[in-house]
Amino acid sequence: GESVGLHLPTLSVQEGDNSIINCAYSNSASDYFIWYKQESGKGPQFIIDIRSNMDKRQGQRVTVLLNKTVKHLSLQIAATQPGDSAVYFCAEHNNDMRFGAGTRLTVKP
Amino acid sequence: GAVVSQHPSRVICKSGTSVKIECRSLDFQATTMFWYRQFPKKSLMLMATSNEGSKATYEQGVEKDKFLINHASLTLSTLTVTSAHPEDSSFYICSAGTGTGYGYTFGSGTRLTVV
Repeated sequence: GESVGLHLPTLSVQEGDNSIINCAYSNSASDYFIWYKQESGKGPQFIIDIRSNMDKRQGQRVTVLLNKTVKHLSLQIAATQPGDSAVYFCAEHNNDMRFGAGTRLTVKP
Repeated sequence: GAVVSQHPSRVICKSGTSVKIECRSLDFQATTMFWYRQFPKKSLMLMATSNEGSKATYEQGVEKDKFLINHASLTLSTLTVTSAHPEDSSFYICSAGTGTGYGYTFGSGTRLTVV
């Protein structure tokens, strides 16, 4: 069936560097995409979202890029901080909301 | 911002008993609720989608008689795990939205342990 998936299960970066987390999706009908951050034992926390009629959206230190041609989504975190260490999920919405496998981001001091 | 309160945060129950998990939207009307299950170091698996006043739509492989979902009001949805077994032990998370298709808020999750 159609699904959302992530390319890399883990990512380790140096504090201050930029991080890029990728996500591939296969449902071309999805109209909305969201990035979530999850810390251990907690529910997902909204980071940023993007609608399918956009290809880029920026927030504070975060940018989401959407490439519908190749069904790819990415999350860029600028000047990564230790507090950014968590598992990051992308989710796609098409009447329901489904999650990718997740990427664990570790920020080294 | 939108807040979703999920209760309890942790529960331990004996095999064969039932457990109810509540999810409340505190400052908005949640037309749509999603219920997820998450195993350790795994992603969130969608269990069911519920719309206020309607029967929940369950994902393939999710037993609707075991995982009872009630969405009787615009601010409350409940998930009842009936006749719980140790394999039902998991982290359960709800997500609420206004039904416009954009912007969903998650509860803080419930850690269920069946002994």
